[in-house]
Amino acid sequence: DTAVSQTPKYLVTQMGNDKSIKCEQNLGHDTMYWYKQDSKKFLKIMFSYNNKELIINETVPNRFSPKSPDKAHLNLHINSLELGDSAVYFCASRGTYEQYFGPGTRLTVT
Amino acid sequence: AQKITQTQPGMFVQEKEAVTLDCTYDTSDQSYGLFWYKQPSSGEMIFLIYQGSYDEQNATEGRYSLNFQKARKSANLVISASQLGDSAMYFCAMRYTGGFKTIFGAGTRLFVKA
Repeated sequence: DTAVSQTPKYLVTQMGNDKSIKCEQNLGHDTMYWYKQDSKKFLKIMFSYNNKELIINETVPNRFSPKSPDKAHLNLHINSLELGDSAVYFCASRGTYEQYFGPGTRLTVT
Repeated sequence: AQKITQTQPGMFVQEKEAVTLDCTYDTSDQSYGLFWYKQPSSGEMIFLIYQGSYDEQNATEGRYSLNFQKARKSANLVISASQLGDSAMYFCAMRYTGGFKTIFGAGTRLFVKA
């Protein structure tokens, strides 16, 4: 069983569109994250939820809206996509110490 | 504020040799954890090793060991007996104990030569 899964794995879309990325973890963790990895491989935290409550909201355009319907799910919705949103987006859940990452979603905005 | 510095953008190592990837950090907190993650070309992020700031022994996991020098604020990753499959990006990271935010360094790309 996959511990942290994301869908879709690849997402190609045009500027101005709205898209969502879904994330699910079956590890029973309370805390989940969204990260953005840019073309230079820099990994930046975007959001974190703990028990469905938003606890970290970094300086992210409000076009990005996370949603956690339950502890096992953390989705990311992006409105009015821009070229600069092209990146790999990782979902992660946190155990006692380490984080478990999903496989990533490569978003390409054309 | 927390900060992680990885000064080696890229490194080469001969297969079967040991290699050290550098990581220094900046924090005013006394209780924190340090992590290393591996990202192969396939893209997934793989947890390698964890060191708590109060752990007296350096952490080891198989061929990975973390050379923790608290006074110098360094947490270098040592990979022994390098294998071709070790070619990847390696990220050092830190989080305050009890905190939620993990800060990542810029990464070091390791190339293992046959």
